[in-house]
Amino acid sequence: DAKTTQPTSMDCAEGRAANLPCNHSTISGNEYVYWYRQIHSQGPQYIIHGLKNNETNEMASLIITEDRKSSTLILPHATLRDTAVYYCIVRPNTGKLIFGQGTTLQVKP
Amino acid sequence: DAGVIQSPRHEVTEMGQEVTLRCKPISGHDYLFWYRQTMMRGLELLIYFNNNVPIDDSGMPEDRFSAKMPNASFSTLKIQPSEPRDSAVYFCASSPRRDSSPLHFGNGTRLTVT
Repeated sequence: DAKTTQPTSMDCAEGRAANLPCNHSTISGNEYVYWYRQIHSQGPQYIIHGLKNNETNEMASLIITEDRKSSTLILPHATLRDTAVYYCIVRPNTGKLIFGQGTTLQVKP
Repeated sequence: DAGVIQSPRHEVTEMGQEVTLRCKPISGHDYLFWYRQTMMRGLELLIYFNNNVPIDDSGMPEDRFSAKMPNASFSTLKIQPSEPRDSAVYFCASSPRRDSSPLHFGNGTRLTVT
């Protein structure tokens, strides 16, 4: 399974965009990039995923570089409720989802 | 859609007792996953099923742990005998068969073994 590298922690001002980076330089051609988040003591929550193209949904945008070796999750207008641990995961089609340590995002007023 | 349902939410037991955690996946989902989360080790995949059949149990810590899926709507994770180091939050997740479909997680069972 391809590994990912994320910063341990990040801060963001409320109302500003939060940009969370992820490196996955060993990603294979059939592996998707997934983003989940976990708010304290809750189950992980799916945010978004993509293979090659940039993706956007009601929660966030996912920007994947052309060589697919890195990606960025964008929360366009962060709120205090977006404070959580964010996990970037690469996963083969229907394969196992293996979590790393993630990035702790602190949204500050 | 009620989501993935886990029970109990909290379980406190004494060392040596048998513990059974339960999970009801989302209807129509073919895959079911059991995870464990601790401060030291983070989120670990224990086992997953496809169409009620265990596919990969390489994450199961030892023989004290067993998981079953007798039908498409129910799974159990059993620990016998339990030990204090089993204290953790145990999550169940399910996903449809569709390619690249994401996992949907339950709210977990917090297990404390004294």
